[in-house]
Amino acid sequence: SQQGEEDPQALSIQEGENATMNCSYKTSINNLQWYRQNSGRGLVHLILIRSNEREKHSGRLRVTLDTSKKSSSLLITASRAADTASYFCATGGGGQAGTALIFGKGTTLSVSS
Amino acid sequence: ETGVTQSPTHLIKTRGQQVTLRCSSQSGHNTVSWYQQALGQGPQFIFQYYREEENGRGNFPPRFSGLQFPNYSSELNVNALELDDSALYLCASSLNLGIREETQYFGPGTRLLVL
Repeated sequence: SQQGEEDPQALSIQEGENATMNCSYKTSINNLQWYRQNSGRGLVHLILIRSNEREKHSGRLRVTLDTSKKSSSLLITASRAADTASYFCATGGGGQAGTALIFGKGTTLSVSS
Repeated sequence: ETGVTQSPTHLIKTRGQQVTLRCSSQSGHNTVSWYQQALGQGPQFIFQYYREEENGRGNFPPRFSGLQFPNYSSELNVNALELDDSALYLCASSLNLGIREETQYFGPGTRLLVL
């Protein structure tokens, strides 16, 4: 079963615009990770945010985590055509090292030039 | 590139056959996790191996089995293939320090088609 749910399922924007994707999850977590996947290939790790962190930045990416609402958001600023991909949030199990990642169904982002 | 490799890249099998997929983990990593991704879905956890022992399993039947070798590479075996086993199979390697979860790095996947 899926733990997280991304919203929206699909997003279409123009180059230069910002893209915001949201993720909600159900149970307590140790961390939340965001991954990108291009055209059904392997997943590329973008960022990991731990449960005691509220915000994290990496280049054009900004991730927030609100554990009280069990939600996270991924913001991509100044989008480029190369950002076109599917984006997944994944949660790590609560309190146990080395456990499975539980993924949502993903947001498909399309950036047109 | 993550340094995680998988073979083969594509595979076509028929119902009832058996298949073995292989994964080489990133240097220094001791944990390998396997995921199944059906078309249009997020990856689903199959199982994880840590120091050659199974360390957690998802909701998959026993015909899905695995191995981890002393060099931390891994195999996923699927017996009695069914049409619904058609999917992208992803392996991910990570370093389990026993303290907290670390990032899992994914390979490019093996696309399996069962006819």
